Amino acid sequence: QKEVEQNSGPLSVPEGAIASLNCTYSDRGSQSFFWYRQYSGKSPELIMSIYSNGDKEDGRFTAQLNKASQYVSLLIRDSQPSDSATYLCAAADSNYQLIWGAGTKLIIKP
Amino acid sequence: DVKVTQSSRYLVKRTGEKVFLECVQDMDHENMFWYRQDPGLGLRLIYFSYDVKMKEKGDIPEGYSVSREKKERFSLILESASTNQTSMYLCASSPVRGGGDTQYFGPGTRLTVL
Repeated sequence: QKEVEQNSGPLSVPEGAIASLNCTYSDRGSQSFFWYRQYSGKSPELIMSIYSNGDKEDGRFTAQLNKASQYVSLLIRDSQPSDSATYLCAAADSNYQLIWGAGTKLIIKP
Repeated sequence: DVKVTQSSRYLVKRTGEKVFLECVQDMDHENMFWYRQDPGLGLRLIYFSYDVKMKEKGDIPEGYSVSREKKERFSLILESASTNQTSMYLCASSPVRGGGDTQYFGPGTRLTVL
């Protein structure tokens, strides 16, 4: 059974601090990884994708990938109340289907 | 800018009714997907399609069928709605044949079956 696992949270972080969201995946053949943000009652929207080991930065967001450890993370710097949402991690398996984690609920406290 | 639209934001149906959910994308994407999302269970794939008139079962196809007569349109059909099909239904599309790439989501349809 291919799985993507995330801590459901909620993860509570003070405004201005760094939020760190983590995800592990079971399929060693996975090559593509995605972080989506989902506000309550809304649909998921793409934050970042990452394909290679290491870090990828986009504004306040940094995605980190470690294929040896089968681990993906998302760092949010200078967290804002508007970052409060559920963050979904997804991995494309060896059949090119996206396997989704159940999401981590992030709360940024003013 | 990719746009995926769904026919209804909210829908209330009665047990046993036939329900149609429609999804349209305007970016000529090859792949289209139907998911349902329930609290604590994340996104679960119902059906997907790689091309017109093609369909593949996802993880939870029971009680559902789909139709893709045109590239831009993918319909989800509940033949006889049941209360356990009350859920948020999300349609998505992606450009790459074979999937495994960024998926773009519609706004979702919250279906309640009474």
